[in-house]
Amino acid sequence: RKEVEQDPGPFNVPEGATVAFNCTYSNSASQSFFWYRQDCRKEPKLLMSVYSSGNEDGRFTAQLNRASQYISLLIRDSKLSDSATYLCVVSHYNTDKLIFGTGTRLQVFP
Amino acid sequence: EPEVTQTPSHQVTQMGQEVILRCVPISNHLYFYWYRQILGQKVEFLVSFYNNEISEKSEIFDDQFSVERPDGSNFTLKIRSTKLEDSAMYFCASGLRQGNGYTFGSGTRLTVV
Repeated sequence: RKEVEQDPGPFNVPEGATVAFNCTYSNSASQSFFWYRQDCRKEPKLLMSVYSSGNEDGRFTAQLNRASQYISLLIRDSKLSDSATYLCVVSHYNTDKLIFGTGTRLQVFP
Repeated sequence: EPEVTQTPSHQVTQMGQEVILRCVPISNHLYFYWYRQILGQKVEFLVSFYNNEISEKSEIFDDQFSVERPDGSNFTLKIRSTKLEDSAMYFCASGLRQGNGYTFGSGTRLTVV
């Protein structure tokens, strides 16, 4: 079983739509959680860290459910520029190795 | 905004040759990493480096691989004898603190022929 699982998509949504991605992780020792964004053939870029209380950054909201071991990302009012692959990333207690999911591809169309 | 710089952006090498991939991390960062991404696959951890020594490495990071911080600014990844399956995008990353998320460089695409 993969340690971090994501639906690969693609999610095709119109501009202005709200879209949600989920991610599950298998290791209960996971301590830190992130969403990264990766454009085609580019480097991953940190979108936001995910905290237990949930957190918001503009149009983006991230939630963490430790009991169910899943993380979500909600994008409101999608823009064409949001088209990318969204990577769910975890790391364990006492290590800073990042464990990546395979990513969920989002395509926003006009 | 500070950047992690990687050179070259693309390297083609013959199987069996040695390659050195170079990175200049963000200047006040203390933690340094190499990751790789084979085309169409997920990003995979190779090695982390702190206080001038390897702090953690993955199964991928075998004796063919080595890292060095020769001069306080550069951070290099050497592959001693490249194999076809080493073809991938190699990303350098750096961070100020553990567990805070890191900044990745734009990557070096290594093609082994």
